[in-house]
Formats: sequence, C-alpha cells, structure tokens
Amino acid sequence: AQSVTQPDIHITVSEGASLELRCNYSYGATPYLFWYVQSPGQGLQLLLKYFSGDTLVQGIKGFEAEFKRSQSSFNLRKPSVHWSDAAEYFCAVGAVNSGYALNFGKGTSLLVTP
Amino acid sequence: GAVVSQHPSRVICKSGTSVKIECRSLDFQATTMFWYRQFPKQSLMLMATSNEGSKATYEQGVEKDKFLINHASLTLSTLTVTSAHPEDSSFYICSARFQGPRIEAFFGQGTRLTVV
Repeated sequence: AQSVTQPDIHITVSEGASLELRCNYSYGATPYLFWYVQSPGQGLQLLLKYFSGDTLVQGIKGFEAEFKRSQSSFNLRKPSVHWSDAAEYFCAVGAVNSGYALNFGKGTSLLVTP
Repeated sequence: GAVVSQHPSRVICKSGTSVKIECRSLDFQATTMFWYRQFPKQSLMLMATSNEGSKATYEQGVEKDKFLINHASLTLSTLTVTSAHPEDSSFYICSARFQGPRIEAFFGQGTRLTVV
C-alpha cells in the first residue's frame, strides 16, 4: 500500500538553529514529492517539489530537501530557523497510478523558541 | 500564473442545509480537480477526484450522495455538502491540475465550513 510517514509529530528548535524534518514514503511507482507549509487557519503553501533530476532541491524561504531513493526519504532542511517558520509542515507524495492525487503525511508541527 | 480560487473562504450553515463550494482555475484549464478534507489538527485526506465532463471518483468511505461534485467545465469544479451536519465541519481544499503532461497541481485557499 502507498504511504507517507512523517515520524515526528512535534519538533521544537531554537531560533537560529538548524532544522531537519523527516519524510519517508512507500510507493510502487515513481513518486513525485512535495513539501507544504500551513499556518494556523490558512491554506497550503508549496515550499518545494521533486519530480526528477538533481536530488537536492532548493525551495522558498531558504528550505531545501534531498531525495534519497535508497532510503525512500525526502527530508526537509533549513540551516537557520526563524521564528516565522513556526507552522505545520506536510510532506506529500503523488504518482501516475494515483492520477497525481497527493497522499499527505500526518504533518510535523514546528515550534521555534527564542 | 497557475492560480486556483476557492470560494467561499468561510461559511457557517445550519444543520440540514446544503452548502456549495466553488473551485476555479483562473488562468489555466484544469482537466482534473481534487477535493481534500482536513479535520482540526489532522492531515489532508483526499475525498474525490473529478475529471471534466465525467463523474467524480470518490475515495473509500466518502459518501458520494452527501458530497456532490460537479466538474462541468475546464475551469470550474463544485463541491456541494448536502444536508450538512456538525460532523461535516471541516476545512475543505481543492487543487487543480493542468491539462496535459504537467504533473503539479495547484491548491486553492481552502474553505472553512462550520455547521451549527
């Protein structure tokens, strides 16, 4: 069965510290991978995406993610977190055989402390 | 480009009434639109996939007679929650995919439905 796992429900980091949010997937077909951010009561904002090519992907707001096929992972990173990064982060995976509908992970809630 | 507009952004309705949510692709033609639901503090779950001119495909556990989806044109899909009940209160969000081989779909702003 196709699945997306975000192992960390909550993460707390200090402002200025580095961040890594984990995402693992299990898909039979070639996956298309996304990271979204959602602030309370708001819609989704796309941070970055991976379809093919270079496995290190740069996104908006200083985020990057690396696709590791051997580990079935697509972890999100940021070298220095800002207080405004506090939000809910969702990893999502799509594939041809699902008509490109997205399967979302359960999300990771990021808290940034002073 | 690639803007998806969803309306209304918030709606409060009485139990037993119906509510219609619109999803429009403003600057592109969308062969396929997806509808998701998000309960408070939970993830997004796919409800249905709609293709222009054909019946929507519903995910397991989603009542097609309760959540009516119409995709009558390449730029508009609607979701009607019929005979709404408090347990239908949720955040509903649509996404629209380009006509053709482009993979990415673009999300609307979402609709917060509260049934009282």
